[in-house]
Amino acid sequence: GNSVTQMEGPVTLSEEAFLTINCTYTATGYPSLFWYVQYPGEGLQLLLKATKADDKGSNKGFEATYRKETTSFHLEKGSVQVSDSAVYFCALRYGGGGSEKLVFGKGTKLTVNP
Amino acid sequence: DTGVSQDPRHKITKRGQNVTFRCDPISEHNRLYWYRQTLGQGPEFLTYFQNEAQLEKSRLLSDRFSAERPKGSFSTLEIQRTEQGDSAMYLCASSFGRASYEQYFGPGTRLTVT
Repeated sequence: GNSVTQMEGPVTLSEEAFLTINCTYTATGYPSLFWYVQYPGEGLQLLLKATKADDKGSNKGFEATYRKETTSFHLEKGSVQVSDSAVYFCALRYGGGGSEKLVFGKGTKLTVNP
Repeated sequence: DTGVSQDPRHKITKRGQNVTFRCDPISEHNRLYWYRQTLGQGPEFLTYFQNEAQLEKSRLLSDRFSAERPKGSFSTLEIQRTEQGDSAMYLCASSFGRASYEQYFGPGTRLTVT
């Protein structure tokens, strides 16, 4: 079945450090890929998305590229801020057969220290 | 646009009791989704509606769970004869249109079964 595997956390970085959170997926067909973020005490928010191979999603300085050959969608940011501290979830949506559900990874908790 | 709202935000109940949660989607969103999130895990899909029709249900949705969206607007999720394993965050999301790539999440209802 469809599944998402993402880097185990927690991840702790200093402000202005480079961030990578790895995400790989297993899916039949051509899923859409997402990164969601959950700030403390808040609901899930869509951070960025990519709907086909080689697409790059970007938002708020975060980027991720849909790599079909490696079935990956790694999240990167060149310089993290304290305000980026949150839990990040990689997810896929496989539209084949009419399914609309999102399949999530377990989440990676990021803490950025000043 | 006030976002997806859920009520209550927290619910504590004793094992064996019935509970009902409500979700109000973003107005004019025709699709509504329910997910469950346990501690340290990503959200897991439970069910989704297009207008008032329930189009997909997960195997996680046992006979004790029932969801409705009677007029294609708000939805309710009922759990009968609650068990301690039902303790989780119940998330609602909504989206619009056929190519509904973006699901907007509510803040969730945290259920604790004692």
